[in-house]
Amino acid sequence: KAGVTQTPRYLIKTRGQQVTLSCSPISGHRSVSWYQQTPGQGLQFLFEYFSETQRNKGNFPGRFSGRQFSNSRSEMNVSTLELGDSALYLCASSGNVAPRGYETQYFGPGTRLLVL
Amino acid sequence: TQLLEQSPQFLSIQEGENLTVYCNSSSVFSSLQWYRQEPGEGPVLLVTVVTGGEVKKLKRLTFQFGDARKDSSLHITAAQPGDTGLYLCAGRTGNQFYFGTGTSLTVIP
Repeated sequence: KAGVTQTPRYLIKTRGQQVTLSCSPISGHRSVSWYQQTPGQGLQFLFEYFSETQRNKGNFPGRFSGRQFSNSRSEMNVSTLELGDSALYLCASSGNVAPRGYETQYFGPGTRLLVL
Repeated sequence: TQLLEQSPQFLSIQEGENLTVYCNSSSVFSSLQWYRQEPGEGPVLLVTVVTGGEVKKLKRLTFQFGDARKDSSLHITAAQPGDTGLYLCAGRTGNQFYFGTGTSLTVIP
């Protein structure tokens, strides 16, 4: 089975711009979660989508949004970019067949975003 | 504010040494996971622990979940260069996982 893929792998933007990141989960996985990873804050949860519906949301401003398509592929959008948005954005998919709490999240390699 | 604090933040040891990484919180978690992340890749799940006091062994790695389900430890015996990476703990509360700050381990041959 192919793993989780994320595109693009690297991105450079300037302040005020917007960006869209894409994630293709493992085939058959319906849950997709997004995380932001920075050296100072570590991995922080952004949101989770399941069957095209946002199921859970972290504590990020409304500039961060996402969506999921019928084929489970997901996109994340950040509008009005700030310098502090520079980070590695990770996507994880889960098959959700295990009891809650036992799910295995399979992470993609991430998209490294640099905001200048 | 981090729910989970890991220590140490950085660790550099010689091959063959033992080490312990700690993951502490004041919050109670329904489950706790440990991941390892290598440069340029996403984290990979190593283990999930659910029961307070639970101990799981994975070859040279031993994971323990605290009795009160607030903390966890990862012990590596006879570390090898292949163990090098960023170790992350993640506790589940409610509907999401909260990740620790990470421990960067370097094992020198």
